[in-house]
Amino acid sequence: GESVGLHLPTLSVQEGDNSIINCAYSNSASDYFIWYKQESGKGPQFIIDIRSNMDKRQGQRVTVLLNKTVKHLSLQIAATQPGDSAVYFCAEKSPYNFNKFYFGSGTKLNVKP
Amino acid sequence: EPEVTQTPSHQVTQMGQEVILRCVPISNHLYFYWYRQILGQKVEFLVSFYNNEISEKSEIFDDQFSVERPDGSNFTLKIRSTKLEDSAMYFCASVSTDTQYFGPGTRLTVL
Repeated sequence: GESVGLHLPTLSVQEGDNSIINCAYSNSASDYFIWYKQESGKGPQFIIDIRSNMDKRQGQRVTVLLNKTVKHLSLQIAATQPGDSAVYFCAEKSPYNFNKFYFGSGTKLNVKP
Repeated sequence: EPEVTQTPSHQVTQMGQEVILRCVPISNHLYFYWYRQILGQKVEFLVSFYNNEISEKSEIFDDQFSVERPDGSNFTLKIRSTKLEDSAMYFCASVSTDTQYFGPGTRLTVL
Protein backbone atom coordinates (compact mmCIF):
# COMPACT_ATOMS: atom_id res chain seq x y z
CA GLY A 1 0.00 0.00 0.00
CA GLU A 2 0.91 3.64 -0.15
CA SER A 3 2.94 5.21 2.58
CA VAL A 4 3.34 8.82 3.46
CA GLY A 5 6.14 9.67 5.83
CA LEU A 6 7.77 12.69 7.33
CA HIS A 7 11.49 13.35 7.58
CA LEU A 8 11.61 15.00 11.02
CA PRO A 9 9.39 14.34 14.00
CA THR A 10 10.05 17.73 15.68
CA LEU A 11 11.05 21.11 14.32
CA SER A 12 11.88 24.09 16.51
CA VAL A 13 12.07 27.56 14.99
CA GLN A 14 12.36 31.08 16.25
CA GLU A 15 9.36 33.33 15.91
CA GLY A 16 9.63 35.27 12.67
CA ASP A 17 11.77 32.68 10.93
CA ASN A 18 10.56 30.59 8.03
CA SER A 19 9.67 26.94 8.63
CA ILE A 20 9.99 24.07 6.20
CA ILE A 21 8.26 20.78 6.88
CA ASN A 22 8.91 17.84 4.60
CA CYS A 23 6.95 14.82 3.50
CA ALA A 24 7.80 11.85 1.29
CA TYR A 25 5.31 9.72 -0.54
CA SER A 26 5.78 6.35 -2.15
CA ASN A 27 3.36 6.14 -5.06
CA SER A 28 4.40 8.00 -8.17
CA ALA A 29 0.83 7.78 -9.46
CA SER A 30 -0.54 9.84 -6.57
CA ASP A 31 -1.95 13.08 -7.90
CA TYR A 32 -3.39 14.98 -4.98
CA PHE A 33 -1.89 15.99 -1.67
CA ILE A 34 -3.08 17.97 1.33
CA TRP A 35 -1.27 19.56 4.24
CA TYR A 36 -3.07 19.61 7.57
CA LYS A 37 -2.40 21.38 10.84
CA GLN A 38 -3.46 19.68 14.04
CA GLU A 39 -3.44 21.55 17.30
CA SER A 40 -3.52 19.64 20.54
CA GLY A 41 -6.93 18.10 21.20
CA LYS A 42 -8.39 19.28 17.90
CA GLY A 43 -9.16 17.80 14.53
CA PRO A 44 -6.91 18.23 11.51
CA GLN A 45 -7.38 21.57 9.84
CA PHE A 46 -6.93 21.92 6.10
CA ILE A 47 -4.08 24.28 5.19
CA ILE A 48 -3.35 23.90 1.52
CA ASP A 49 -3.51 21.32 -1.22
CA ILE A 50 -1.73 20.66 -4.47
CA ARG A 51 -2.32 18.52 -7.52
CA SER A 52 0.37 16.71 -9.39
CA ASN A 53 0.07 18.99 -12.41
CA MET A 54 1.57 21.76 -10.28
CA ASP A 55 5.00 22.19 -8.69
CA LYS A 56 4.11 24.99 -6.35
CA ARG A 57 1.07 26.50 -4.77
CA GLN A 58 0.88 29.49 -2.49
CA GLY A 59 -1.56 30.47 0.18
CA GLN A 60 -1.48 33.03 2.90
CA ARG A 61 1.99 32.69 4.47
CA VAL A 62 2.17 29.09 3.29
CA THR A 63 3.65 27.52 0.19
CA VAL A 64 3.57 23.90 -0.83
CA LEU A 65 6.21 22.54 -3.17
CA LEU A 66 5.85 19.25 -4.98
CA ASN A 67 8.80 17.41 -6.47
CA LYS A 68 7.41 14.48 -8.39
CA THR A 69 10.84 13.28 -9.46
CA VAL A 70 11.79 12.35 -5.91
CA LYS A 71 8.22 12.01 -4.60
CA HIS A 72 8.61 14.72 -2.05
CA LEU A 73 6.53 17.63 -0.91
CA SER A 74 7.20 20.38 1.53
CA LEU A 75 5.26 22.99 3.41
CA GLN A 76 6.88 26.35 3.89
CA ILE A 77 5.52 28.72 6.50
CA ALA A 78 6.73 32.28 6.24
CA ALA A 79 7.34 34.44 9.32
CA THR A 80 6.37 31.67 11.71
CA GLN A 81 4.23 32.78 14.61
CA PRO A 82 3.54 31.19 18.02
CA GLY A 83 0.05 30.30 16.77
CA ASP A 84 1.66 28.09 14.14
CA SER A 85 2.83 25.68 16.83
CA ALA A 86 1.09 22.39 16.07
CA VAL A 87 1.59 19.04 14.40
CA TYR A 88 1.66 19.24 10.62
CA PHE A 89 1.10 16.25 8.42
CA CYS A 90 0.58 15.56 4.80
CA ALA A 91 -2.09 13.37 3.28
CA GLU A 92 -1.97 11.59 -0.04
CA LYS A 93 -5.02 10.63 -2.02
CA SER A 94 -4.88 7.09 -3.26
CA PRO A 95 -4.57 7.01 -7.05
CA TYR A 96 -6.44 3.70 -7.08
CA ASN A 97 -9.29 4.53 -4.80
CA PHE A 98 -10.57 8.05 -4.88
CA ASN A 99 -12.22 7.47 -1.55
CA LYS A 100 -9.05 6.76 0.34
CA PHE A 101 -6.44 9.05 1.86
CA TYR A 102 -3.19 8.09 3.54
CA PHE A 103 -1.70 10.24 6.26
CA GLY A 104 1.83 10.81 7.43
CA SER A 105 2.70 10.60 11.08
CA GLY A 106 3.34 14.31 11.47
CA THR A 107 5.98 16.85 12.38
CA LYS A 108 5.60 18.80 15.57
CA LEU A 109 6.44 22.45 15.00
CA ASN A 110 7.57 24.38 18.07
CA VAL A 111 7.79 28.13 17.67
CA LYS A 112 10.04 29.80 20.21
CA PRO A 113 9.20 33.41 21.11
CA GLU B 1 -18.26 29.02 7.38
CA PRO B 2 -19.83 25.55 7.41
CA GLU B 3 -18.07 22.96 9.50
CA VAL B 4 -18.24 19.32 10.48
CA THR B 5 -19.48 18.77 14.01
CA GLN B 6 -19.13 15.74 16.24
CA THR B 7 -20.72 14.61 19.48
CA PRO B 8 -19.87 13.81 22.14
CA SER B 9 -16.49 15.44 22.52
CA HIS B 10 -15.46 12.80 25.06
CA GLN B 11 -16.99 9.38 25.67
CA VAL B 12 -15.94 7.10 28.50
CA THR B 13 -17.20 3.54 28.40
CA GLN B 14 -16.60 0.15 29.94
CA MET B 15 -15.01 -2.60 27.89
CA GLY B 16 -17.66 -4.63 26.11
CA GLN B 17 -20.16 -1.79 25.92
CA GLU B 18 -21.56 -0.35 22.73
CA VAL B 19 -20.84 3.22 21.76
CA ILE B 20 -22.25 5.43 19.04
CA LEU B 21 -20.26 8.39 17.82
CA ARG B 22 -22.15 11.04 15.93
CA CYS B 23 -21.18 13.40 13.18
CA VAL B 24 -22.97 16.07 11.21
CA PRO B 25 -21.09 16.54 7.93
CA ILE B 26 -21.17 19.70 5.88
CA SER B 27 -24.58 19.80 4.27
CA ASN B 28 -23.78 19.69 0.55
CA HIS B 29 -21.00 17.12 0.84
CA LEU B 30 -21.55 13.65 -0.51
CA TYR B 31 -18.62 11.59 0.78
CA PHE B 32 -18.11 10.91 4.45
CA TYR B 33 -15.30 9.29 6.35
CA TRP B 34 -14.37 8.03 9.77
CA TYR B 35 -10.77 8.06 10.93
CA ARG B 36 -9.08 6.97 14.11
CA GLN B 37 -6.05 8.46 15.78
CA ILE B 38 -4.47 6.64 18.68
CA LEU B 39 -2.64 9.05 20.98
CA GLY B 40 0.65 10.10 19.43
CA GLN B 41 0.12 8.15 16.25
CA LYS B 42 -0.97 8.95 12.73
CA VAL B 43 -4.51 9.37 11.52
CA GLU B 44 -5.80 6.01 10.26
CA PHE B 45 -8.54 5.52 7.72
CA LEU B 46 -11.48 3.44 8.93
CA VAL B 47 -14.27 3.74 6.40
CA SER B 48 -15.70 5.86 3.62
CA PHE B 49 -19.39 6.21 2.86
CA TYR B 50 -21.19 7.38 -0.23
CA ASN B 51 -24.76 7.18 -1.40
CA ASN B 52 -25.88 5.48 1.80
CA GLU B 53 -23.41 2.65 1.63
CA ILE B 54 -19.83 1.84 2.53
CA SER B 55 -17.53 2.42 -0.42
CA GLU B 56 -14.25 1.46 1.21
CA LYS B 57 -13.15 0.14 4.57
CA SER B 58 -9.83 -0.67 6.17
CA GLU B 59 -8.72 -3.82 7.96
CA ILE B 60 -9.37 -2.00 11.23
CA PHE B 61 -13.06 -1.74 10.38
CA ASP B 62 -14.07 -5.25 11.42
CA ASP B 63 -17.48 -6.66 12.32
CA GLN B 64 -17.52 -4.69 15.55
CA PHE B 65 -17.83 -1.46 13.59
CA SER B 66 -20.75 -0.16 11.61
CA VAL B 67 -21.76 3.14 10.06
CA GLU B 68 -25.13 4.62 9.30
CA ARG B 69 -26.69 7.72 7.90
CA PRO B 70 -29.99 7.49 9.77
CA ASP B 71 -31.32 10.75 8.36
CA GLY B 72 -30.27 13.47 5.97
CA SER B 73 -27.80 15.08 8.30
CA ASN B 74 -26.29 12.63 10.80
CA PHE B 75 -23.53 10.12 10.16
CA THR B 76 -22.79 7.64 12.94
CA LEU B 77 -20.06 5.19 13.84
CA LYS B 78 -21.08 2.35 16.13
CA ILE B 79 -18.69 0.08 17.98
CA ARG B 80 -20.67 -2.89 19.22
CA SER B 81 -18.40 -4.27 21.92
CA THR B 82 -15.59 -1.91 22.78
CA LYS B 83 -12.10 -3.13 23.54
CA LEU B 84 -9.35 -1.35 25.43
CA GLU B 85 -7.48 -0.81 22.17
CA ASP B 86 -10.42 1.12 20.74
CA SER B 87 -9.40 4.04 22.94
CA ALA B 88 -8.51 6.82 20.52
CA MET B 89 -9.69 10.03 18.90
CA TYR B 90 -12.28 9.39 16.24
CA PHE B 91 -12.62 11.95 13.50
CA CYS B 92 -15.38 12.34 11.00
CA ALA B 93 -14.64 14.05 7.71
CA SER B 94 -16.66 15.08 4.71
CA VAL B 95 -15.48 15.88 1.24
CA SER B 96 -16.13 18.62 -1.23
CA THR B 97 -14.56 17.64 -4.55
CA ASP B 98 -11.25 16.38 -3.15
CA THR B 99 -10.71 18.40 0.00
CA GLN B 100 -11.51 16.69 3.27
CA TYR B 101 -12.84 18.74 6.15
CA PHE B 102 -12.49 17.19 9.57
CA GLY B 103 -14.64 17.49 12.63
CA PRO B 104 -13.14 18.25 16.04
CA GLY B 105 -13.17 14.59 17.02
CA THR B 106 -14.55 12.42 19.79
CA ARG B 107 -12.14 11.13 22.38
CA LEU B 108 -13.16 7.58 23.25
CA THR B 109 -11.79 6.13 26.45
CA VAL B 110 -12.45 2.45 27.10
CA LEU B 111 -11.89 1.32 30.68
